[in-house]
Amino acid sequence: EVQLVESGGGLVQPGGSLRLSCAASGFPFSSYWMRWVRQAPGKGLEWVADIRGDGYEDFYVDSVKGRFTISRDNTKNSLYLQMNSLRADDSALYFCAKDFAWACDEWGQGTMVTVSS
Amino acid sequence: QSALTQPPSASGSPGQSVTMSCTGTSSDVGVYNYVSWYQHHPGKAPKLIIYEVTKRPSGVPDRFSGSKSGNTASLTVSGLQADDEADYYCSSHAGIIRWVFGGGTKLTVL
Repeated sequence: EVQLVESGGGLVQPGGSLRLSCAASGFPFSSYWMRWVRQAPGKGLEWVADIRGDGYEDFYVDSVKGRFTISRDNTKNSLYLQMNSLRADDSALYFCAKDFAWACDEWGQGTMVTVSS
Repeated sequence: QSALTQPPSASGSPGQSVTMSCTGTSSDVGVYNYVSWYQHHPGKAPKLIIYEVTKRPSGVPDRFSGSKSGNTASLTVSGLQADDEADYYCSSHAGIIRWVFGGGTKLTVL
């Protein structure tokens, strides 16, 4: 059974940093692109970042470029999102998801990030 | 990156069919056959119900079907059931922009 379990969310002040983690199990982690998707309160889903299975290629939505870094440790079956210079509009439920045929076929339950003073 | 356009709400009675649209551009929906649809019950993980425009993952009932014409993709839910009440999101590959999602459609089963 595939499992994706996010952690690391919390309350942080504007300008602060946070590192999200996603523990994966039940599939050959290093063989798949992985991504972060977020949902702000009362809003729709928004793709945040993608990373290739070997970790050597990544992509970001414009609004987080230069502030967020997606990474992975295939020895630990873990995905990460380092978030710096956080802003109020980064407040959201952050999901990690597994790629399949340019879709997300497996999702975690999400971890909440709140940016507020 | 602009989101795909979805109507904010849709509704139908049990047993009826409802179709939801997802309008993009010639840079995403119109050019790539990588449109996917997700069912999201608030508080739960989103669930993939359609990928590559028309394909259903194993375990998804054939009451759910997808299609595309030009820049608009559609999701049809037939034989509506109470548990179908949820938010539905479309998504598309968008080339160098990578990914775009729609704003979501809230489906109400009357």
